[in-house]
This record gives sequence, C-alpha cells and structure tokens, in this order.
Amino acid sequence: EVHLVESGGDFIQPGGSLRLSCAASGFTFSSFNMNWVRQSPGKGLEWISYISTSTSTGYYADSVKGRFTISRDNAKNLLYLQINSLRAEDTAVYYCARDHLGGVFDFRGQGTLVTVSS
Amino acid sequence: DIRMTQSPSSLSASLGDRVTVTCRASQSISSSLNWYQQKPGKAPKLLIFASSALHSGVPSRFSGSGSGTDFTLTISSLQLEDFATYYCQQSYNTPWTFGQGTKVEI
Repeated sequence: EVHLVESGGDFIQPGGSLRLSCAASGFTFSSFNMNWVRQSPGKGLEWISYISTSTSTGYYADSVKGRFTISRDNAKNLLYLQINSLRAEDTAVYYCARDHLGGVFDFRGQGTLVTVSS
Repeated sequence: DIRMTQSPSSLSASLGDRVTVTCRASQSISSSLNWYQQKPGKAPKLLIFASSALHSGVPSRFSGSGSGTDFTLTISSLQLEDFATYYCQQSYNTPWTFGQGTKVEI
C-alpha cells in the first residue's frame, strides 16, 4: 500500500528555517515526480513545489520562490522541502503528494504543521 | 495565474440526494480539471482527474464533466461518508491552483 509520511513541522519564529521530510513506501519512489502542497485557513490549498524524478528540476510557486528548496534522495525514498526566511503567512499544514499525469496530486499522508509566530 | 471559482461555497443535502458542485476557471483549461474530497483533519483524496476520469477505488456514484472553463462534480446518491469538503484544481498551467472548496453538509 502506498504511504507518504511527512515530518519536520514545528513552531518557529519569523525568519527561521526548517527542513520538512516525506518518507515514501509501497511504490517505486524514483519513478514518480513529487509535489509539496500546503493548506492554511486563510489561503486554502496551495501548490508550492514540484520535483521531477531525476531530481534536477524543481518548480516553485511565486510565493515561495527563492526561499524554499525542494530535493529528493531516491536511494532513501525521501522527499525534502527546505524552507528559509519563514513568514507568518507560511503557517500551514504541508503535504507531500505523488504527481499523477502532471499536476494531479495523489495525497497519501497526514501532513505536517508549520506554525510561524513570534 | 488561473483562478478557480467553486459554487456554492456550502450546501445542505440529505442521504440519497443527487448533489452537483460547479467549478469555473478564469480561462480555458481544456479538460485539465481535477476533483478532491477532504474530511476534517485528513489530507485531500483524489476523486476525479482530467475532468471525468475516476481515480482508482473511487465509487461510481461520483462523476465529473466539463471542458474549457466550466466543470461539474456530481454525486448521484449521497452517502453518509460523502459529507466532506470538495475542491476543484486545474493542472493546465503552473502554478497549479485550487478552488476555495464546497462543503457538503447534512
């Protein structure tokens, strides 16, 4: 069975940094493009980043470009999201999702909560 | 960015009702429209992709239609487990964007 387990969320002050992880199991991780999607009460669901199977290509929403970095370790079946220069508006539950046919999200985890506040 | 607008924002329905949710895109997105179901405290679940293709394991009472800018999600006979929030999302252009959600309540 496909499982994605997000971790790394925390309560952090503005300007801080975090690294989120997503552990994949039950499928051939290296064969799937992956995404991060976040959900906040104020902005609903928001796609924020995509990475291809090869790990060399990442795409970002304008709201996080230059502050967030997506990466993956296919040998360890892990997806990462490095988030820097955190702002209050980054407060959200962050989900990783398998990419199905380009921009279609197959969510299989529970998400990890990032709270940015002083 | 492509803006996705759902209507209604919420609706009340009874078991066995036929329910329809509408999604409109701010520009043509061909058939690149997906629907998700989300229950409180859980991740969204993919129901329909490419406007009308049912994702694996999704009951056949769910169906989708539309192309261009106007799309519809239909639940033919509402079951207890269908009370949830439904989101549309376009996969035509990045940034991929979601509608604001439609809450289906008893």
